[in-house]
Amino acid sequence: GAGVSQTPSNKVTEKGKYVELRCDPISGHTALYWYRQSLGQGPEFLIYFQGTGAADDSGLPNDRFFAVRPEGSVSTLKIQRTERGDSAVYLCASSPPGGAATTDTQYFGPGTRLTVL
Amino acid sequence: LAKTTQPISMDSYEGQEVNITCSHNNIATNDYITWYQQFPSQGPRFIIQGYKTKVTNEVASLFIPADRKSSTLSLPRVSLSDTAVYYCLLSYGQNFVFGPGTRLSVLP
Repeated sequence: GAGVSQTPSNKVTEKGKYVELRCDPISGHTALYWYRQSLGQGPEFLIYFQGTGAADDSGLPNDRFFAVRPEGSVSTLKIQRTERGDSAVYLCASSPPGGAATTDTQYFGPGTRLTVL
Repeated sequence: LAKTTQPISMDSYEGQEVNITCSHNNIATNDYITWYQQFPSQGPRFIIQGYKTKVTNEVASLFIPADRKSSTLSLPRVSLSDTAVYYCLLSYGQNFVFGPGTRLSVLP
């Protein structure tokens, strides 16, 4: 079946602009995760959804970052007033229902490469 | 917050067994340890997950000692296609802490 998809694959924007990154999880998966990965580093947790609600958003770096999942499927990560330090690959993952977040296998999308000039 | 460390890189030859260790001194009682593989321009891909002792699947084994302060991913008989970056993931409460990754290069 189809895996996790993310759009766009690449996004170039200017400092101060607003961007939206989209994630389509695997159909039927209830848990959805956002990570940020800088070059040469491991993914950094941002936020975790269980259904429509954010179960843990402690990884969001500041209030310029916000994520929604209004219908419990597609999620959008929104970044306001982008800064050059926001440049990274933003990864989305999803997990099937039935388990605990700490034990669920996460299926990752290919990521969106964000470049802030 | 839990922190994980891994060797930055490792080299191996085709057909050898490779062991990659992740240190996680502050692991909590209910945390699970998961290993992922990542190729360039792709998202991480699940390899194996465990809580304690030993877990084996069709591609790897995971060894976790009694104190759970480290874990070792074992890849039997690696091939050139196993060249990738390998990450351990510590599930800490509802936070998820990835290690810095180990770049494995498999040589012919």
